[in-house]
Amino acid sequence: EVQLVESGGGLVQPGGSLRLSCAASGFTFSSYWMSWVRQAPGKGLEWVANIKQDGSEKYYVDSVKGRFTISRDNAKNSLYLQMNSLRAEDTAVYYCARVDWVGGNPDYWGQGTLVTVSS
Amino acid sequence: DIQMTQSPSSLSASVGDRVTITCRASQGIRNDLGWYQQKPGKAPKRLIYAASSLQSGVPSRFSGSGSGTEFTLTISSLQPEDFATYYCLQHNSYPQTFGQGTKLEIK
Repeated sequence: EVQLVESGGGLVQPGGSLRLSCAASGFTFSSYWMSWVRQAPGKGLEWVANIKQDGSEKYYVDSVKGRFTISRDNAKNSLYLQMNSLRAEDTAVYYCARVDWVGGNPDYWGQGTLVTVSS
Repeated sequence: DIQMTQSPSSLSASVGDRVTITCRASQGIRNDLGWYQQKPGKAPKRLIYAASSLQSGVPSRFSGSGSGTEFTLTISSLQPEDFATYYCLQHNSYPQTFGQGTKLEIK
C-alpha cells in the first residue's frame, strides 16, 4: 500500500525557516517524480514544487523561488521541502504527493502538515 | 503561465442529478489534465487523469472529456458521497496550475 506521511509543520515567525519531510513507503520511491502542493486555510490548491527521480530537475512556483528548496534522499525514501524567509502568505497545509508515470500528475497524496507563519 | 478557469465556482444539486464542471486553459495543453475531489479536512483524491481516463477504483459515474483548451468533468448520477470540492490540474507546463475549485453542495 502506498503511504506518504508528512512531518515538520508548525508555528514559525515571519522570516523564519522550517523543513518539511515526507516519508514514503509501499512503492519504489526512486522511480517517481514527487511533488509538494499547498492549500491556504479556506482556499484552493496550489502546486509548489516538483523533483525528478534522481533530483536532477526541480521546478517551483514563482512565489517560492529562491526561498524554498525541494530535495530527496532515495536511500531513505524521503522527500523534503526546506522553507526559508517564510511569510504570512506561506501559511497552509502542505501535501506531499507522488507523480504518476502515466497521468503525469499526482496520484497518491499524504495527509498534509500545517505550517503557520505568524508572530 | 497557463491559467485554468474553472466553472462554476459553486453548484447546488440533488442526489441523482447529472452535473458538469468545466475547466478552460488559457492555452492548449493537449490532454495533460487531471481532476481531483477533495472533502473537508482530507487530501485530494484523483478521479481522472489524461483528461478522460478513469482512476482505478473510482466509480464509473465519473467521466472526463476534452482536449486542448476545454475540459469537462461529468458526474452522471450524484450520490451523497459526491458532495465535495472538485479541482482540475494542468501539468502540460511549469508552473503546474489548478483551477479555482468547484464546491458541489446538496440542494
